[in-house]
Amino acid sequence: KQEVTQIPAALSVPEGENLVLNCSFTDSAIYNLQWFRQDPGKGLTSLLLIQSSQREQTSGRLNASLDKSSGRSTLYIAASQPGDSATYLCAVDTGTASKLTFGTGTRLQVTL
Amino acid sequence: DAGVIQSPRHEVTEMGQEVTLRCKPISGHDYLFWYRQTMMRGLELLIYFNNNVPIDDSGMPEDRFSAKMPNASFSTLKIQPSEPRDSAVYFCASRRTGMPLLPYEQFFGPGTRLTVL
Repeated sequence: KQEVTQIPAALSVPEGENLVLNCSFTDSAIYNLQWFRQDPGKGLTSLLLIQSSQREQTSGRLNASLDKSSGRSTLYIAASQPGDSATYLCAVDTGTASKLTFGTGTRLQVTL
Repeated sequence: DAGVIQSPRHEVTEMGQEVTLRCKPISGHDYLFWYRQTMMRGLELLIYFNNNVPIDDSGMPEDRFSAKMPNASFSTLKIQPSEPRDSAVYFCASRRTGMPLLPYEQFFGPGTRLTVL
């Protein structure tokens, strides 16, 4: 059974810092990995999707990497801003037709 | 595009009552997913449909839960009878089948916050 772990559970950084969020999964036979953002009381917003054949994806200040063999993904946020404050979730699709297994999330706070 | 639409946004009910949650997926999307989010268990997939047909309902917790998708633009998740432990945020998501072997992102609705007293 796929298990997804995210470290740290919570993170507080001053504005402007670069930061890394970690995601690890137990079954490396994944189809893709997706990073989401969730604001309090809101739904999930898809940030980046990395296919199993890819090593990384970039969107603006966000960069996600994937190392299937070690069962790890990282989400790099450059020059963090207060508006980045949210919970970040990673989810893996083990290829059984779109069944995403979610991590428990990292709650990020970017302070002024 | 309005995105995935869910209603109601908030529902408060008493134990034993029937609860119906509704979802309208993004037009053109052929997969629809129902998730439940709680503090204790995080986000869990309950059931998903492909072309209106239920494919996997192994995540549905009990027979009290049922889901239908009568057409491509509408799905319901029903709980009957409801219990306090069903209190959670229920999300609906949809996605579109891409080219062979090319996965597509799931797009989530805003969720329905259910409180069962």
